[in-house]
Amino acid sequence: DTGVSQDPRHKITKRGQNVTFRCDPISEHNRLYWYRQTLGQGPEFLTYFQNEAQLEKSRLLSDRFSAERPKGSFSTLEIQRTEQGDSAMYLCASSTTSGRAGEQFFGPGTRLTVL
Amino acid sequence: AQSVAQPEDQVNVAEGNPLTVKCTYSVSGNPYLFWYVQYPNRGLQFLLKYITGDNLVKGSYGFEAEFNKSQTSFHLKKPSALVSDSALYFCAVRRVENTPLVFGKGTRLSVIA
Repeated sequence: DTGVSQDPRHKITKRGQNVTFRCDPISEHNRLYWYRQTLGQGPEFLTYFQNEAQLEKSRLLSDRFSAERPKGSFSTLEIQRTEQGDSAMYLCASSTTSGRAGEQFFGPGTRLTVL
Repeated sequence: AQSVAQPEDQVNVAEGNPLTVKCTYSVSGNPYLFWYVQYPNRGLQFLLKYITGDNLVKGSYGFEAEFNKSQTSFHLKKPSALVSDSALYFCAVRRVENTPLVFGKGTRLSVIA
């Protein structure tokens, strides 16, 4: 257990529905990242935050995706009007910016299946 | 742009034998290099990192990795493999500290008793 938690662990939804995932990072970590992992691929970066500020969004993050970290603690990732291509594992990671290493600690992921 | 290549989808090794999982990278400037391991139904676990200094980096569970700047490689090694090392291994790189990681596709390691 890395200390990063994600909820839910699994989500099955029908195409066109909206879904929201939550990530709780390690409490003292100011950076929070979202990645997406599809079968046979490594994680791909979606977006990241420093405290409550969203610093960067990948081109993978279409207009249907939105992420927030309102109080600089937990974060939510919402997907609107889900498509079958959204089926993937959504990973959250957190890190601290103190020190240079900045290794990221990953949560267990939320597996999304869009039918 | 940064990129990572893991040329082997699968590595098979007998228990007790040394193992190597290969990784090459492409990045402008000095790289920050990482290895993570993923067990079934679990998130990625950090194994080791290279930031600067000694080219041989030691990490968790007896793993080590050698940074080779001229070959732009960062191969993961272990002197004696265990069955419990069987998992999916990812190499990752970043160019600037505290920024998102770029991952390779992963290598599945299978250690056979």
